[in-house]
Amino acid sequence: EAGVTQSPTHLIKTRGQQATLRCSPISGHTSVYWYQQALGLGLQFLLWYDEGEERNRGNFPPRFSGRQFPNYSSELNVNALELEDSALYLCASSFQGGGADGELFFGEGSRLTVL
Amino acid sequence: GENVEQHPSTLSVQEGDSAVIKCTYSDSASNYFPWYKQELGKGPQLIIDIRSNVGEKKDQRIAVTLNKTAKHFSLHITETQPEDSAVYFCAARDSGTYKYIFGTGTRLKVLA
Repeated sequence: EAGVTQSPTHLIKTRGQQATLRCSPISGHTSVYWYQQALGLGLQFLLWYDEGEERNRGNFPPRFSGRQFPNYSSELNVNALELEDSALYLCASSFQGGGADGELFFGEGSRLTVL
Repeated sequence: GENVEQHPSTLSVQEGDSAVIKCTYSDSASNYFPWYKQELGKGPQLIIDIRSNVGEKKDQRIAVTLNKTAKHFSLHITETQPEDSAVYFCAARDSGTYKYIFGTGTRLKVLA
């Protein structure tokens, strides 16, 4: 069974541009979480989508946005890129709202570099 | 606000020794506590978890303990091996919002 897949693996942008990152959850999972991991730091919660709706949002500016599609895949969009947006962006999926099992499974991440 | 504190930030042990990483959470509504291992250049991998109705769980060389009264939970790795070297994250999930709060990570180095 395929795990959480993310694309692209690496992305290089310049300041002011927009970046779009994609995530496909594990089959059967309806929740998708996005986290930002700056170099050497922990995981900062960005967004949580479940059944196509945004359920929770972390302490990030509005230029970080996303959506979840009917097939439960998700996009993270970052507008007006700033240098400090350079980070590994991790997507994770689980059964609805964490479900009875609650396990959260991560993809390998998309590394965004802003020059 | 919700917070998970994790200690130590770095830990070096000799191969074969044990390693212990400790976390403290603030949200009393948390009911699920996973541990993740992140190797260089990879995403975090779930290695063990514990729910609030259990005090201890073991899986081969790794174990997790939970003290709900003190809001503490710990990861124990016995007979450490070089391949255990990685960054380990603890997390707490709120039972109502399903929001996961992660600790700041522990870089474990197992010296051969």
